[in-house]
Amino acid sequence: GAVVSQHPSWVICKSGTSVKIECRSLDFQATTMFWYRQFPKQSLMLMATSNEGSKATYEQGVEKDKFLINHASLTLSTLTVTSAHPEDSSFYICSAGLAGALRQETQYFGPGTRLLVL
Amino acid sequence: TQLLEQSPQFLSIQEGENLTVYCNSSSVFSSLQWYRQEPGEGPVLLVTVVTGGEVKKLKRLTFQFGDARKDSSLHITAAQTGDTGLYLCAGITGNQFYFGTGTSLTVIP
Repeated sequence: GAVVSQHPSWVICKSGTSVKIECRSLDFQATTMFWYRQFPKQSLMLMATSNEGSKATYEQGVEKDKFLINHASLTLSTLTVTSAHPEDSSFYICSAGLAGALRQETQYFGPGTRLLVL
Repeated sequence: TQLLEQSPQFLSIQEGENLTVYCNSSSVFSSLQWYRQEPGEGPVLLVTVVTGGEVKKLKRLTFQFGDARKDSSLHITAAQTGDTGLYLCAGITGNQFYFGTGTSLTVIP
């Protein structure tokens, strides 16, 4: 089956530093990747949609200069949290849409990255 | 924004009991999915329902899509501790994907 990995799985950093999270589709090509943020026992909040070779589309209220997304290839998207602050602490999850899929619901989720900003 | 409300938000039951989780919206979806997510992991797809009125069974889990394709339910029979987790519905329309508000289920042994 299609597998999506995220790295790192968890990260602790000091306030003011930048953190990069990688999302990789391991055995398929993903033209679209999605980045979500999740607080404990709450649903996933879509942050942005990332398309290979083009700029990401951010959801309302998400600062694009704060959360930099780069979808450099069909198997890799990165999310960089710039100048992280404690309020950015959260669980970040990516998902990848299968290239060539006829329906939107062919989406595979990564295992998530827990970020703690001190 | 197409909002999918799930109820209840939190549920704690004894092992062996039955339960139903609801996912409601005022919007029509072309399909609807249910996911289960365990702490520290990504969501795992349980089922996709496409046709209004469709019922799908996955062992002790029964999923139903409303006739008007605006709502769905998940029924678990004889809950087990392994069913503990966050259950999320997700509605799909066009190229848009909307997650529900989530139901956190705890099954007590």
